[in-house]
Amino acid sequence: ELKVEQNPLFLSMQEGKNYTIYCNYSTTSDRLYWYRQDPGKSLESLFVLLSNGAVKQEGRLMASLDTKARLSTLHITAAVHDLSATYFCAVVPHAGKSTFGDGTTLTVKP
Amino acid sequence: DAGITQSPRHKVTETGTPVTLRCHQTENHRYMYWYRQDPGHGLRLIHYSYGVKDTDKGEVSDGYSVSRSKTEDFLLTLESATSSQTSVYFCAIRLSLDGDGYTFGSGTRLTVV
Repeated sequence: ELKVEQNPLFLSMQEGKNYTIYCNYSTTSDRLYWYRQDPGKSLESLFVLLSNGAVKQEGRLMASLDTKARLSTLHITAAVHDLSATYFCAVVPHAGKSTFGDGTTLTVKP
Repeated sequence: DAGITQSPRHKVTETGTPVTLRCHQTENHRYMYWYRQDPGHGLRLIHYSYGVKDTDKGEVSDGYSVSRSKTEDFLLTLESATSSQTSVYFCAIRLSLDGDGYTFGSGTRLTVV
């Protein structure tokens, strides 16, 4: 059974600081997705990572995938308040159904 | 917007009553999914469909059934609602399995009293 572990689950940051959210998973996979969810809203797709070594960047967020280590990271650079949200990773194993992590709730404080 | 709508957006129902949630898409996507979201559990897959009349169970399917008689509609039914089924339900669509991510509906907040 695929297990997906995100850490930290809660993160409080100061504006302007950098931080990384980690997504570890337990079985072989070569596809991983990152989503953002604002309170009371639906999930919005951020990144689709399709191969080992994939790196995607959008604004202050950068995601990477290391399939050998079974690890994806979501790096936040110079955080701003608008980045406050819950971030989910979702792992898709070979020929299998996706499994979501429990989410990381990020709060960026002035 | 990817053309996916869920109805109703909110519902309060009594324990033991049947409830049907609807997911409607306008873009002819083959794959459709029902998830539930609960605090501390992220999203958990209830059922999914890979075509008309083709459905399969997810990790938390007990107490739920689904039907897909048309490409555009995927229905989730709680046969006899229980308080443990109080949750936010999300429908998602996916164009293919080759790399496309999921597009989620706005969600249905269901309260079973």
